[in-house]
Amino acid sequence: DGGITQSPKYLFRKEGQNVTLSCEQNLNHDAMYWYRQDPGQGLRLIYYSQIVNDFQKGDIAEGYSVSREKKESFPLTVTSAQKNPTAFYLCASNPGALGAQHFGDGTRLSIL
Amino acid sequence: QQQVKQSPQSLIVQKGGISIINCAYENTAFDYFPWYQQFPGKGPALLIAIRPDVSEKKEGRFTISFNKSAKQFSLHIMDSQPGDSATYFCAASMKGGADGLTFGKGTHLIIQP
Repeated sequence: DGGITQSPKYLFRKEGQNVTLSCEQNLNHDAMYWYRQDPGQGLRLIYYSQIVNDFQKGDIAEGYSVSREKKESFPLTVTSAQKNPTAFYLCASNPGALGAQHFGDGTRLSIL
Repeated sequence: QQQVKQSPQSLIVQKGGISIINCAYENTAFDYFPWYQQFPGKGPALLIAIRPDVSEKKEGRFTISFNKSAKQFSLHIMDSQPGDSATYFCAASMKGGADGLTFGKGTHLIIQP
């Protein structure tokens, strides 16, 4: 089945550690997105990429980094500079400007 | 600055009733307005979406009403069922969503049997 796979489902980070969240899609979508969800805050855009080897900052990019080396993959690194990383992270993809965004089932990141 | 305001934060409706969730936006450049449904521990799933050239769109029990002059749009769930209990998010975007979505803060809907 076509879809978006996020892994791991749960992730724990130690102080000063970088962690990488995986997002893979087999929908052949050009655009991919990362959102952060906090309780009562909705979803906020971290980074997005409309094409391989290109990406743009969203509203809350500080403390995060991304890469887009393959069309199918858009990993997110939560760096030690992100002081409040505990959240539910959601990856999405979009076939084009007039298409709907499809979401994965998220990674929940917590601090040890 | 919150560009999409959603209300209410929580809503309790009796089975068979109508659930109504409202959203207001500020940016007149928005051209795409989707609604998402999210169950605990899952990613949001697209429910229905509308573009500003129409005032209403209906899909099954779900209807979006859109008021361009007031910069408001709403979701109506007819004949609400316990399985509709979830968190609902409205969103808005420019360029049809290519640069990402701006979400409201969500409405936690409970349908009582």
